[in-house]
Amino acid sequence: NAGVMQNPRHLVRRRGQEARLRCSPMKGHSHVYWYRQLPEEGLKFMVYLQKENIIDESGMPKERFSAEFPKEGPSILRIQQVVRGDSAAYFCASSPPDFYFDAETQYFGPGTRLLVL
Amino acid sequence: GQQLNQSPQSMFIQEGEDVSMNCTSSSIFNTWLWYKQDPGEGPVLLIALYKAGELTSNGRLTAQFGITRKDSFLNISASIPSDVGIYFCAGHGGGTSYGKLTFGQGTILTVHP
Repeated sequence: NAGVMQNPRHLVRRRGQEARLRCSPMKGHSHVYWYRQLPEEGLKFMVYLQKENIIDESGMPKERFSAEFPKEGPSILRIQQVVRGDSAAYFCASSPPDFYFDAETQYFGPGTRLLVL
Repeated sequence: GQQLNQSPQSMFIQEGEDVSMNCTSSSIFNTWLWYKQDPGEGPVLLIALYKAGELTSNGRLTAQFGITRKDSFLNISASIPSDVGIYFCAGHGGGTSYGKLTFGQGTILTVHP
């Protein structure tokens, strides 16, 4: 059973460009979460999605950031007009559809390291 | 918002020693999780705790969910070099914070052979 897949693993962008990060959850998982990690810090929650729905985006910056999890295909975290402060590791996690326990047990992908020049 | 304080920030130990780290919160969590992160990788789930007072083991790892639901600890017994990495606690508050995990700042573990 493949784990959470993220691509690309590394992404370099110049200021003002767009960054598009992809996440494929574990097989059978229907919940996807995105987190951001700055150097030497813990992970910070950004957004929680189920198929075609954004459940909680309380951690997403109000501008330039958006996320989707379409019916078919991977979840996408999109950052428009990137700035140097967006440089970070972005992690995707997924959890099974059983909400009572397992939705709180999140399994993480290897991350995308974004560097903005 | 919810905050987690994780300590110690870093530990330098000799191979074979036991390790203990803990997390405390200003508010109640319904679930505690412990993860390990290696450089350049994502966090790997070590132990999940779902009930206050629960004590769970996974090999040489033991973790407990505090009775007050505001703290948790992780013990590693007989450490080995591959235990090196960053250990994070994470809490899930339940209620309207459905999917959100709150992470501690991490404990950097170095094991000297």
